[in-house]
Amino acid sequence: DTEVTQTPKHLVMGMTNKKSLKCEQHMGHRAMYWYKQKAKKPPELMFVYSYEKLSINESVPSRFSPECPNSSLLNLHLHALQPEDSALYLCASSLHTGNTEAFFGQGTRLTVV
Amino acid sequence: AQSVTQLGSHVSVSEGALVLLRCNYSSSVPPYLFWYVQYPNQGLQLLLKYTTGATLVKGINGFEAEFKKSETSFHLTKPSAHMSDAAEYFCAVTPGGLGFQKLVFGTGTRLLVSP
Repeated sequence: DTEVTQTPKHLVMGMTNKKSLKCEQHMGHRAMYWYKQKAKKPPELMFVYSYEKLSINESVPSRFSPECPNSSLLNLHLHALQPEDSALYLCASSLHTGNTEAFFGQGTRLTVV
Repeated sequence: AQSVTQLGSHVSVSEGALVLLRCNYSSSVPPYLFWYVQYPNQGLQLLLKYTTGATLVKGINGFEAEFKKSETSFHLTKPSAHMSDAAEYFCAVTPGGLGFQKLVFGTGTRLLVSP
């Protein structure tokens, strides 16, 4: 199994809503990542988890709250988002945080209205 | 600091023609280099990577890339384009070494393939 599975594939939420994005992998990877990708732009790193601990936060606003309940699961909790937060949110995992191959999920297309 | 420059935001080829997507990098230490492909509304898929060793790297779907240190380049090629190759391609770099190394992406090149 070399898949990173993200749910939901699409999400529309209002600015007062609370929602969560989910990412799952069963490859035994101990590093997991959240990226944000705006249209026609490259992915931008948001968070890095290493062995279930948050190791990197790229100055992401607190309305985005990551969580890593176990080594296979990564969540991104969303609250009070703005329309400019609309983007494709990509989850990735790698064996560890060194220079190993990162496997990406299909992404969640988020629209904030 | 590492950076990547991809020349040409769009590249158009005919089916069966050579594909050449250009990537130049800047790195203060020996880099690790990657090419990813992204189809519309999809995640990124690794095409190939260079870490150490042989400078000509073969990847999936018939793509290959050559690491040229003297030219600080890592161009992606495919001898014969197929319609299914139409996608966005990202070159990325990390510094070689231990610990977390941030993957720095280029701005991407959209490959258009015409019949």
